[in-house]
Amino acid sequence: DAGITQSPRYKITETGRQVTLMCHQTWSHSYMFWYRQDLGHGLRLIYYSAAADITDKGEVPDGYVVSRSKTENFPLTLESATRSQTSVYFCASRRPARGASYNEQFFGPGTRLTVL
Amino acid sequence: QQQVKQSPQSLIVQKGGISIINCAYENTAFDYFPWYQQFPGKGPALLIAIRPDVSEKKEGRFTISFNKSAKQFSLHIMDSQPGDSATYFCAVKPAGAGSYQLTFGKGTKLSVIP
Repeated sequence: DAGITQSPRYKITETGRQVTLMCHQTWSHSYMFWYRQDLGHGLRLIYYSAAADITDKGEVPDGYVVSRSKTENFPLTLESATRSQTSVYFCASRRPARGASYNEQFFGPGTRLTVL
Repeated sequence: QQQVKQSPQSLIVQKGGISIINCAYENTAFDYFPWYQQFPGKGPALLIAIRPDVSEKKEGRFTISFNKSAKQFSLHIMDSQPGDSATYFCAVKPAGAGSYQLTFGKGTKLSVIP
């Protein structure tokens, strides 16, 4: 199916474990983003990427690692999960800078992560 | 530092009424001001957006009003319907060709009651 998908949709893990959240898009969009959503904080940018092998830190990058070896995939890894990383994580993508709507970001369905 | 402040946090409107959500930003170097709509269990989706050279943009029942001098922009939902019940986020994008990340407000939960 075309679009942007995230897996898993739900994940429960324990403190100290490594967790990887997957994001895949079929549009060949250059730009991809990871956000976390928490009550009272809205959407906060964790990491973003302009193209394969180009990534940059967002507002809240500590405790997270990203990679982008292929344009269509942008996994997010929590190297040693903490309770404060319990959140809903959204991946998004944006098409290259052409056309009137080029700024629009398309969001995936989200991954709800609970760290016990 | 919070670059965009959104209010109110929650809003209850009767069916047929007007819903108004406001955002204020603290930096003048932004060139794109979108509003996103999010239903429970779903990812946010672009609702409507405006650029700073326009003071108002209307799409159906949804209107953005932009006040550059006051550094504020607002979302107006006319004839609000129960199906509009969702969380709404404003956002800003830094100006410049190399800037593409969005900074979001904290969100407004809108409930439209029949």
